[in-house]
Formats: sequence, C-alpha cells, structure tokens
Amino acid sequence: AQKVTQAQTEISVVEKEDVTLDCVYETRDTTYYLFWYKQPPSGELVFLIRRNSFDEQNEISGRYSWNFQKSTSSFNFTITASQVVDSAVYCCALSEGVGGGSNYKLTFGKGTLLTVNP
Amino acid sequence: AAGVIQSPRHLIKEKRETATLKCYPIPRHDTVYWYQQGPGQDPQFLISFYEKMQSDKGSIPDRFSAQQFSDYHSELNMSSLELGDSALYFCASSLTGLPEAFFGQGTRLTVV
Repeated sequence: AQKVTQAQTEISVVEKEDVTLDCVYETRDTTYYLFWYKQPPSGELVFLIRRNSFDEQNEISGRYSWNFQKSTSSFNFTITASQVVDSAVYCCALSEGVGGGSNYKLTFGKGTLLTVNP
Repeated sequence: AAGVIQSPRHLIKEKRETATLKCYPIPRHDTVYWYQQGPGQDPQFLISFYEKMQSDKGSIPDRFSAQQFSDYHSELNMSSLELGDSALYFCASSLTGLPEAFFGQGTRLTVV
C-alpha cells in the first residue's frame, strides 16, 4: 500500500526566510508520480508540481524548488524568500497509476500548515 | 483558463436527508475523481470515472453513489446523511494519460 508522510504538521517563519517542507513516501510500484498541492485558507487545492518516478531531476519555478531523491524516498519542497501570501497548507501526494488515463487516484499526506509572518 | 466547477459551494442538510453534489470538469478532461476531506484531515479518495465508466472505488459509503454523464460532468449522490458526512468534497479532473488532476473549489457540506 502506498503512504505519504509529512512529519511537519506546522511551520512558522518570518517573511523572507527560506523554508523546506518535507515529504517521504512509500510505494511498491516502480512507476509512480509525486505531487505538491497548495491549500490556502479558502480551501481549494491548487496544483503546484508533478514529478515522475523515472525523472529525478530537481526543478525550480521562481521562488519554489523541489528536491526528489529516490534513494531516500523523499520529495521535499523549498520556498525561498517566503512571503505572507505563501501561508497555506501544503499537501504532498502520491499516485501509483495504472496508465491509460483511467486511474491516477491520489494518496495525500496529512499536510503541513505554513504560516509566514510579516 | 476554465477550471473545474463544483456546485453548490456550500450546503447545509439535516440528518437523514439526501444531497447531490455536481462537478463540471475542465473542457476535454474525461476523467473525474471525487475526494472527501474531513475537518483537519487529508483528502480521501472516494470514486473515479473515466469515459463515463467507474474506474476505481475507494472508501465510499454504500449510502453514496456517483455517475459521470455523456457531457463528462459528474454527480455525487449522498443519502441518509449522517453528522460524520460533514466535510469538504472535492472533484478533480484530468486528461487521458496525464496523472495530474486539477481540483475544483470544493463543496462544503454541513450535516446538522
């Protein structure tokens, strides 16, 4: 069975600090997909990124960067120079998928509440 | 860009009543997923549809049913509502062959 663990339940930082959100996953599949979603106070889930299990290349998008390491089953998310608008719950998720476009259901971690204080 | 549309956004029902939640996927998306997120919990997968056929089923109570229609919109029907059904219900859609799912804003159901 697949499992996603986000050990940090809450993190509080001061604006402009860098912050890393940890995500550790478990799966028996060799092909899988990892995701990060942002859930602001309004409640919606906003897609941030997807990584494939066969692509360990790290990614940077503006102030966001992601570090995927299969050796440690981790997919960590770093926000550089955090801003108050970054305050939200960040959810890491895993999909094993069966291909064919029919089923990529997600298993979510418990989420990390990030509070960025001015 | 068009997003996933869910209606209603908020719903208050009494115990033992029924509720119908609607989901309109992003245009051309043929796969729909339903998730339930209880207070302080992570979203839990309920059920999914691909090309109007059920593709997978998760922890969905027997009191709930869902379907996907010819225009790809989906409805989640919930009967004999219980207090524990109070939650945020998300619909997500995706395009054939792509794992990333895009979520609607959710329907917040409160059972009193």
